[in-house]
Amino acid sequence: KAGVTQTPRYLIKTRGQQVTLSCSPISGHRSVSWYQQTPGQGLQFLFEYFSETQRNKGNFPGRFSGRQFSNSRSEMNVSTLELGDSALYLCASSLDLIGGGVNSPLHFGNGTRLTVT
Amino acid sequence: ILNVEQSPQSLHVQEGDSTNFTCSFPSSNFYALHWYRWETAKSPEALFVMTLNGDEKKKGRISATLNTKEGYSYLYIKGSQPEDSATYLCAFKYNTDKLIFGTGTRLQVFP
Repeated sequence: KAGVTQTPRYLIKTRGQQVTLSCSPISGHRSVSWYQQTPGQGLQFLFEYFSETQRNKGNFPGRFSGRQFSNSRSEMNVSTLELGDSALYLCASSLDLIGGGVNSPLHFGNGTRLTVT
Repeated sequence: ILNVEQSPQSLHVQEGDSTNFTCSFPSSNFYALHWYRWETAKSPEALFVMTLNGDEKKKGRISATLNTKEGYSYLYIKGSQPEDSATYLCAFKYNTDKLIFGTGTRLQVFP
C-alpha cells in the first residue's frame, strides 16, 4: 500500500509570493491534516479536511488555506509569504476524522521544506 | 492554552541501556494520547494510540504507560539500539478535538 505522498519535497520562494503544497493520502483514508514545524516548536496543527470539508482549524492567519478533493487529495496554499513561514510542512492521513469518536493513528508524508527568502 | 510537555528534551545513551521519557498533558477532558517516532530524513511513524487510564502498550522493545488522572505517559525502551535513535513525539487529543503535539525527546544511542 502506497504511503502518504507530498509534493514538492523542497521549495524556495520569495516574500510576497504564494505557494501551493500537495498531499495524496493513503488509499481509503478520508482525513487529511496539515502541520507546520519550525525549529524548537512541536508540530503545529494547521487544519484538517474530511470528506472535502474543513473540520478543524489551528491558530494560523487567513493566509493559510487548504482544500480537499473528492479523491481525498489535499492542497495547502499560503499567500503573501513571510520569512517566518519558512518551515517543514507535513501532511498526515488517517482513516477517520481526528475529532471523531475513533482514535486512528496518523500516517505522515515526508514533508515539504519551504524556504522563504 | 493547552500545553504538552516532553522531558527530557534530549537523551544520549549507550547501546544496551534502557531508557524512558515522559509526556505531560492536561488531565481534564482527556480523549487520547499518541506516541510517534521520527527518524531523521523520514516521516513520523505511529507507535501507540492510548485511550484508557492505566493502558499499557508494547511493540517489541518499546512500551508505554498512561495515567490520565495525573496527566502523564511514559515511554520505555529496553536495551536501546542505535536504530532507536530518533525523536519521540507525543500528541494529546483534547475532548475529541485536534491533536496537540509536544516538542519531542531526541534520543541518540551510541554503539
